[in-house]
Amino acid sequence: AQTVTQSQPEMSVQEAETVTLSCTYDTSESDYYLFWYKQPPSRQMILVIRQEAYKQQNATENRFSVNFQKAAKSFSLKISDSQLGDAAMYFCAQNSGYALNFGKGTSLLVTP
Amino acid sequence: EPEVTQTPSHQVTQMGQEVILRCVPISNHLYFYWYRQILGQKVEFLVSFYNNEISEKSEIFDDQFSVERPDGSNFTLKIRSTKLEDSAMYFCASRGVGIQETQYFGPGTRLLVL
Repeated sequence: AQTVTQSQPEMSVQEAETVTLSCTYDTSESDYYLFWYKQPPSRQMILVIRQEAYKQQNATENRFSVNFQKAAKSFSLKISDSQLGDAAMYFCAQNSGYALNFGKGTSLLVTP
Repeated sequence: EPEVTQTPSHQVTQMGQEVILRCVPISNHLYFYWYRQILGQKVEFLVSFYNNEISEKSEIFDDQFSVERPDGSNFTLKIRSTKLEDSAMYFCASRGVGIQETQYFGPGTRLLVL
C-alpha cells in the first residue's frame, strides 16, 4: 500500500523567515504526482503546489517551492518570507490511482 | 475562477437518519470525488466517479454510502443510516480529463451525527 508520511506534527516560524515542511512517500510507480495542500482554520483544502515525478526541476509558486528527491522519495515544501496568513495545516499528497493519498499533516504556526 | 461548491456547509442529524450531501463540480470536469476528514485526522478518500459510475472506492465506502450524479451539474453523497462515527468534514473534489490534472476541492460539509 502506498503511504505518505509527514513526520512533523507541528512547526513554528517567525514572520519573514523561511520554513521547510517534510514529506516522504512510498510508491512502486514510476509516474505519479505530488501535491501540497493548505488547510486554514476554515478547513477548506487549497492547492499550494504540485510536482510531476517525471520532471527533474523543482516546482515553484511565488514564495512556495519544493525540494523533490525522487530516489529518496522525499518531497519537502519550503515557504520563504513567511506571512501570518500562511498559518494552517499543510497536507502532502500523492495520487494513487484515481484517488489522492494524504499524509497526516503538519500544523504551521507563524509568530510575529 | 471556477470553483467546486458544496451544500449545506453544516448539517446536524440524528443517528440512523439519512443525509444527502450535495456538490457542484467545476463545469468541464469529468472526474468527481468524495473525501472525508474526521476532526484532527487526515483526509481520507471515499470514492471516485467517472462516466456515471464508480471508478474506485475505499474500504470506508461501504453499503451505507452511495453516490449519484442526478443531473448534469450535481454530484451527491448519500449516507443511508448515519452513525456517530460518520461525524466528519466531507469534501467533494473534481478534476479534468487527464491523469495529470489537479483535483480541486470544495469548501466541505461539516456533518455532526448526534
